[in-house]
Amino acid sequence: EVQLVESGGGLIQPGGSLRLSCVASGLTFSSYWMHWARQVPGKGLVWVAQISDDGKVTNYADSVRGRFVISRDNAKDTMYLQMNGLRAEDTAVYYCVRGGRTVRGLLVGDYFDPWGQGTQVTVSS
Amino acid sequence: EIVLTQSPGTMSLSPGERVTLSCRASQSLSRNYLAWYQQSPGQPPSLLMYGASSRATGIPDRFSGSGSGTDFTLTISALEPEDFAVYYCQQYDSSPYTFGQGTNLEIK
Repeated sequence: EVQLVESGGGLIQPGGSLRLSCVASGLTFSSYWMHWARQVPGKGLVWVAQISDDGKVTNYADSVRGRFVISRDNAKDTMYLQMNGLRAEDTAVYYCVRGGRTVRGLLVGDYFDPWGQGTQVTVSS
Repeated sequence: EIVLTQSPGTMSLSPGERVTLSCRASQSLSRNYLAWYQQSPGQPPSLLMYGASSRATGIPDRFSGSGSGTDFTLTISALEPEDFAVYYCQQYDSSPYTFGQGTNLEIK
């Protein structure tokens, strides 16, 4: 069974930094693209960032580009989200999600499955 | 950015009823990379459908998806008590990946 476990969330003041971690098990981590998504409780889902299986390709939502950095360590089966310059509007539950695979040079099956349980990030003074 | 609009926002239904949820995209999804997720209270979302019409592993066949281009639907043939939840569509056809605002199925 694939499991994704996030950690690193908490209460942080505006302008501060946090690093989220996601430890994966039950899969060949280095074979999959990965994502971070977020959700304000009671609200909808928002994609945040994506990283390729080898870590060489990253993509970000406009709302976080330049402030957040996604990375991974395939030797540790772990993905990270470094969040800098945090704002009140970044307050949300952050989910780690498995994405697709590279097949003959193309990304396929990049739907989100499974999702971790999430970690709460609260930005407030 | 592709905007997904789900309708209706909330539906009040009874167990055993058939329901169809709609998801409309602001631009055509050239590869029909449209997924549906179910989210129960206090839980993360879980994948139901991908590629518009393929059921995820372990999803019962009362769930079906259809559509192409800009118009997609998720149908539940006969609602079970555990199906009352929020449903989101998502396009992973082009970046940035986007979600609809959700449809809440509540028990009448």
